[in-house]
Amino acid sequence: RKEVEQDPGPFNVPEGATVAFNCTYSNSASQSFFWYRQDCRKEPKLLMSVYSSGNEDGRFTAQLNRASQYISLLIRDSKLSDSATYLCVVNILNNAGNMLTFGGGTRLMVKP
Amino acid sequence: DAGVTQSPTHLIKTRGQHVTLRCSPISGHKSVSWYQQVLGQGPQFIFQYYEKEERGRGNFPDRFSARQFPNYSSELNVNALLLGDSALYLCASSLGGNAGNTIYFGEGSWLTVV
Repeated sequence: RKEVEQDPGPFNVPEGATVAFNCTYSNSASQSFFWYRQDCRKEPKLLMSVYSSGNEDGRFTAQLNRASQYISLLIRDSKLSDSATYLCVVNILNNAGNMLTFGGGTRLMVKP
Repeated sequence: DAGVTQSPTHLIKTRGQHVTLRCSPISGHKSVSWYQQVLGQGPQFIFQYYEKEERGRGNFPDRFSARQFPNYSSELNVNALLLGDSALYLCASSLGGNAGNTIYFGEGSWLTVV
């Protein structure tokens, strides 16, 4: 079983739609949680951190459920520019250092 | 301010050869990590260095090695290249070695092994 699991998609949605991505993680020692965005053939870029209380950044809302080891990302009013791969990421500080563990990514395609 | 810089951006090597990839972290950052991203997958952790010491190593063979220099720049070395080493190699820097530090990625080095 992968440490961080995501539905690979692709999710094909029209502009203006609301889309939700989910992610589960297996390591209960995970300390920090993030969503990264990666455009084709580019480096991952931090989209937002994820907190248990839930957090919102404009059209993006992230939620963490530690008990269920579940992370979500909601995108409202999708734009063409939201088309990308969204990576669910957990940060584990253990004897392997401060390492990010990535899911395989969920591909989003927003169509006109 | 310059972000994380990596070189070379693209390179092609032959099986069995050796490669060295270089990374300069954001000014003031003392931690550098390396990740391998094979096409269609998420990045996989290779190494973390903090204050010139190895802090962590992922599940990669001994053909992979790295070091961090006094100016906090870093090199990733891969010996005896295999076709499966073809990937995007990402360097990431952060201020410190703690889980709460934001991690910033460079644009990566695209390695093709033929």
